[in-house]
Amino acid sequence: AQKVTQAQTEISVVEKEDVTLDCVYETRDTTYYLFWYKQPPSGELVFLIRRNSFDEQNEISGRYSWNFQKSTSSFNFTITASQVVDSAVYFCALSELYSGNNRKLIWGLGTSLAVNP
Amino acid sequence: GAGVSQSPRYKVAKRGQDVALRCDPISGHVSLFWYQQALGQGPEFLTYFQNEAQLDKSGLPSDRFFAERPEGSVSTLKIQRTQQEDSAVYLCASSLVGQVGYEQYFGPGTRLTVT
Repeated sequence: AQKVTQAQTEISVVEKEDVTLDCVYETRDTTYYLFWYKQPPSGELVFLIRRNSFDEQNEISGRYSWNFQKSTSSFNFTITASQVVDSAVYFCALSELYSGNNRKLIWGLGTSLAVNP
Repeated sequence: GAGVSQSPRYKVAKRGQDVALRCDPISGHVSLFWYQQALGQGPEFLTYFQNEAQLDKSGLPSDRFFAERPEGSVSTLKIQRTQQEDSAVYLCASSLVGQVGYEQYFGPGTRLTVT
């Protein structure tokens, strides 16, 4: 069955520290998609990145970077030089190709990141 | 451009009342999703529309929950005879196409409190 595990419930760092949020997934399919979303205190989920199962290249976008490793079924997210505005709950999610009419995202429980000044 | 909008943002209902939650997706987006998010949890899928067709309603928790998207644009999630366990944030999301793997864009949610 498909499943997303975010083992870190809460992380607290001091501004300018680097922080890595872990995501481990389970799926039976060979074709699938992984996502990261940010949910700031305002509540609105913000899309950050999508990655398909055939693209294992790491991605960097400004201070954000993602490390996708199929061998360990992980899709980890690193924030470099964290800032207070990065404080939010971060969700990892999974979608499978061969799911019929099912287009739903399977979500982890989220990691609450607090960046302190 | 305009994002996904939802109304009302907050709703307080007395147990047993019916409520209707509205979602306006991004214009032109084919897919529309409803999720329920309890405090401290990730979103839980409720139902999915492709245009006006409801293709998956496997996540609706009971027959008190009903969703429609009659013209393939605006959607309404209706909850009949609300119960306290229905208290949650209801999130609507839309996606440009109907295929799997495209990102979903979320609205701000409707926080429902049943007293």
